Amino acid sequence: QSALTQPASVSGSPGQSITISCTGTSSDVGGYNYVSWYQHHPGKAPKFIMYEVNNRPSGVPDRFSGSKSGNTASLTISGLQSEDEADYYCSSYTDRGASYVFGTGTKVTVL
Amino acid sequence: EVQLLESGGGLVQPGGSLRLSCAASGFTFSSYGMHWVRQAPGKGLEWVSGISGSGTSAYYADSVKGRFAISRDNSKNTLYLQLNSLRAEDTAVFYCAKTLKPCSGSNCYMRSGLDVWGQGTTVTVSS
Repeated sequence: QSALTQPASVSGSPGQSITISCTGTSSDVGGYNYVSWYQHHPGKAPKFIMYEVNNRPSGVPDRFSGSKSGNTASLTISGLQSEDEADYYCSSYTDRGASYVFGTGTKVTVL
Repeated sequence: EVQLLESGGGLVQPGGSLRLSCAASGFTFSSYGMHWVRQAPGKGLEWVSGISGSGTSAYYADSVKGRFAISRDNSKNTLYLQLNSLRAEDTAVFYCAKTLKPCSGSNCYMRSGLDVWGQGTTVTVSS
């Protein structure tokens, strides 16, 4: 169960847009639309912000959007705000043992 | 309000055992799969184990297979994780999490996002 690959860090200025990539294989991201995203502020519980590639749970601002192309899923944050500064993780179902795998995590910094 | 509250963490020696609990409230517990996810110090999130709503099906990460056991008591709305043969590398904050959608099919709970998380309980394995 190898972790999905994310960039270690992404930064942007307030109001800008950033995109976080999440690269897997045909056994996980590429093969299924079961990609989720989580926002994690250190010391707090992770927050669920996207499911099944591009669906936002109730209460998540529409500044957050998701997409997928081939084996890579992406999370875009538009109109970046200071409170968006956090760690972000993707996750996916994987058919290697009918398992669940997280990404390596991306630290988002708002400049 | 949907809530999850973990307990049972603590300091344990290598080779020791611990049982974590996750008390659930605010939803029909037996209808939802549940998962354990951990975060070691300075590391990312790592999926540990998932269990079906009925408790009859479960999956484990390779790193814990044979050492950890997930279970649930639907009469008590509580999820458990039995940790055996603990190693230093098991030191982590352990979170329980609820699947987004109720399901009854085979391993459907492994395909769902995790919409509610507890605050976590810390397990430290050290001599």
